Amino acid sequence: GAGVSQSPSNKVTEKGKDVELRCDPISGHTALYWYRQSLGQGLEFLIYFQGNSAPDKSGLPSDRFSAERTGGSVSTLTIQRTQQEDSAVYLCASSPMWETQYFGPGTRLLVL
Amino acid sequence: DQQVKQNSPSLSVQEGRISILNCDYTNSMFDYFLWYKKYPAEGPTFLISISSIKDKNEDGRFTVFLNKSAKHLSLHIVPSQPGDSAVYFCAASGWNYGGSQGNLIFGKGTKLSVKP
Repeated sequence: GAGVSQSPSNKVTEKGKDVELRCDPISGHTALYWYRQSLGQGLEFLIYFQGNSAPDKSGLPSDRFSAERTGGSVSTLTIQRTQQEDSAVYLCASSPMWETQYFGPGTRLLVL
Repeated sequence: DQQVKQNSPSLSVQEGRISILNCDYTNSMFDYFLWYKKYPAEGPTFLISISSIKDKNEDGRFTVFLNKSAKHLSLHIVPSQPGDSAVYFCAASGWNYGGSQGNLIFGKGTKLSVKP
């Protein structure tokens, strides 16, 4: 079946511009997560959606980062006024409730 | 401070031999542990997991061992194959460990190279 998909696969932007990253989770998965992986680092948790509950935003590094999940399915991660340190691979994962998380291929963001 | 540590950034093993990847954690509230495998330009792929009520879980060539008293887990791959060459991430989660319920805390990964 279809896995988690993310778009775009690559994004190059200029410092100060806003970017939107999209995630399509596996159908029926109630939980959706955003992580990022900077060069040479492990995956860093950003934000978590579970069903209709308020999202857990505790991992967002600054108020320039926000995310929404429409209709309990597709999610968009928005980074405003991008900085060079935002360059990373942004990974989305989904899971049925608290179970194993399945990852998408990621969006590679480069801020020049 | 890192809650999940993979102290070996890389490991090289001969095909057919055993690969042992190690992971240490600091938070005793973690109760679920996972290993993910990641190829370049792809997202992490779930490999195997273990609950804290167990000390071993096996799936084909992959076995995960958990030593709760030492806060240590390891992934054994036997026999290793060239296709196993990838970065392996250890991850942990748990209820009320102080972070978000359900989100995973990852180590920095170990790059495994299996030589033919």
